Amino acid sequence: RKEVEQDPGPFNVPEGATVAFNCTYSNSASQSFFWYRQDCRKEPKLLMSVYSSGNEDGRFTAQLNRASQYISLLIRDSKLSDSATYLCVVNRDYKLSFGAGTTVTVRA
Amino acid sequence: NAGVTQTPKFQVLKTGQSMTLQCAQDMNHEYMSWYRQDPGMGLRLIHYSVGAGITDQGEVPNGYNVSRSTTEDFPLRLLSAAPSQTSVYFCASSVGLTNTGELFFGEGSRLTVL
Repeated sequence: RKEVEQDPGPFNVPEGATVAFNCTYSNSASQSFFWYRQDCRKEPKLLMSVYSSGNEDGRFTAQLNRASQYISLLIRDSKLSDSATYLCVVNRDYKLSFGAGTTVTVRA
Repeated sequence: NAGVTQTPKFQVLKTGQSMTLQCAQDMNHEYMSWYRQDPGMGLRLIHYSVGAGITDQGEVPNGYNVSRSTTEDFPLRLLSAAPSQTSVYFCASSVGLTNTGELFFGEGSRLTVL
């Protein structure tokens, strides 16, 4: 079983829409959680850390459910520039595990 | 403002050849790591280092060696390249050991082994 699993999508949404997706992780001892963004053939870039109480960064909201071992990301008022692959990342003892990514395409 | 620098960006090798992927960061980061990314798969951790002189294995270490003689440099060596090592390789660093998930990535090195 993969340590981090994501719905690969693609999620194809119109500008201004809200899109949300989850990832699940298998190891309950995981310590910290993140969402990264990766554009085609580019390096991943940190989008936001995910905290137990949930957190927002502008139009992005992340949630963590430790009991059910899943992390979610919600994007409000989608922009064309939000088109990317979103990577779920889980950290345990300095070892990071990446999901394969969820592809989001925002259309005009 | 260099950040994390990887060289080379592209490389073609023949099976059995050796090479070193270079990674340097100028941010005085303690934590450095190497990943490979293959189509349809997430990034997989090859090796990581929590400081100069300290390295450890990640998920897929076989066929790769690393060293960390300075804080700035973390080279990845392929000892005898195999076609299965065709991939995109990313080096990443983070500022401290308490937030090793907040990574800064290099632009990647695309390696093809024939």
